[in-house]
Amino acid sequence: DTGVSQDPRHKITKRGQNVTFRCDPISEHNRLYWYRQTLGQGPEFLTYFQNEAQLEKSRLLSDRFSAERPKGSFSTLEIQRTEQGDSAMYLCASSLGSGPGAFFGQGTRLTVV
Amino acid sequence: AQTVTQSQPEMSVQEAETVTLSCTYDTSENNYYLFWYKQPPSRQMILVIRQEAYKQQNATENRFSVNFQKAAKSFSLKISDSQLGDTAMYFCAWGGGSNYKLTFGKGTLLTVNP
Repeated sequence: DTGVSQDPRHKITKRGQNVTFRCDPISEHNRLYWYRQTLGQGPEFLTYFQNEAQLEKSRLLSDRFSAERPKGSFSTLEIQRTEQGDSAMYLCASSLGSGPGAFFGQGTRLTVV
Repeated sequence: AQTVTQSQPEMSVQEAETVTLSCTYDTSENNYYLFWYKQPPSRQMILVIRQEAYKQQNATENRFSVNFQKAAKSFSLKISDSQLGDTAMYFCAWGGGSNYKLTFGKGTLLTVNP
């Protein structure tokens, strides 16, 4: 197992387009998190899955954002009608339910032009 | 809501010396964890060390150790025998609640000079 994997690593899109990111967690991890990190800031929580259930969403997650984790395996994060303010690094993390201490992927850098 | 404050935006240290990064936090919860993450220029966050709030003994991982002062809500990271590869952004984070989501500070950019 090579850890948490995210795809793509970089994405440049035009304002108004839709984008989708994928996260493959560590295989036995049942908890999955999405965070957003802007330049010079720490990551901010977006949403949390336990297995396939989305149990918490941040108020940062507007209705243009949707996340899924079918069958409790990989997860996707979709942003519809992208805006320049969506430009950021999107980080995925996973952990075991027995305790915290998430392992992060390398992130997807989104640039909206 | 939890808050995490890192008051040192940047720090530098000479190779082989010791440096301490500061972190304070605020929470009303009794059960929680505290973490230090390292984010090198490649941008992947790496877990450096974690501390359970109910444990009085400070956590240690090789050259990395913490000074956890629960009453003061302080959680500093000491790096001994600093190496060039320690150059990175360091984030302090709080984790707890039913979902163990993390709340991060703004980070401290540590530069290790040869």
